[in-house]
Amino acid sequence: NAGVTQTPKFQVLKTGQSMTLQCAQDMNHNSMYWYRQDPGMGLRLIYYSASEGTTDKGEVPNGYNVSRLNKREFSLRLESAAPSQTSVYFCASSMHSGGAETQYFGPGTRLLVL
Amino acid sequence: AQSVSQHNHHVILSEAASLELGCNYSYGGTVNLFWYVQYPGQHLQLLLKYFSGDPLVKGIKGFEAEFIKSKFSFNLRKPSVQWSDTAEYFCAVTERGGSQGNLIFGKGTKLSVKP
Repeated sequence: NAGVTQTPKFQVLKTGQSMTLQCAQDMNHNSMYWYRQDPGMGLRLIYYSASEGTTDKGEVPNGYNVSRLNKREFSLRLESAAPSQTSVYFCASSMHSGGAETQYFGPGTRLLVL
Repeated sequence: AQSVSQHNHHVILSEAASLELGCNYSYGGTVNLFWYVQYPGQHLQLLLKYFSGDPLVKGIKGFEAEFIKSKFSFNLRKPSVQWSDTAEYFCAVTERGGSQGNLIFGKGTKLSVKP
């Protein structure tokens, strides 16, 4: 039981390049989330998926797209990377999207955009 | 909009000292409250959570937190810290019954424990 896994662990991009961050969970959770963590800012929600087949914007969605591929997988895509997207990206999942659910986090992807 | 304030950016303590990290939230409705910990180089892990009932919540590794509704606070405490408690601590809140369920995080407090 791996919990929440993310790939890659680390990535360097040039401005304008695209990439997809992968996230998978094996806990049969319905809801999945993408956060970014910046120094002194805490974690901010980018997108979330309350259930398979649905996605919604969070606090900072600009410059990102997501795909809920199936119940297990939730990917985050940067179409044209910008230096402001240099950050650590965390995927999380919970059984449901209601506020009482505990979210479980993956190990993170550290992204550097030059 | 909901927001979470953590008063201390960086706290430095010696081993065996007592710890209290402040957390205040702004939201007029009913909330669920969480403390997460992030050890160096690792992902976030849940320390404890409060949904309802006894406002004094006990979590893992000897941590506890007290929900004081009148003060909109959920401070984290530990009577005696260890070097292994060095980490960053995040307070977070969700709206109870909210459809989104997304966590609103504070900016975090770094704790450094000197051996």
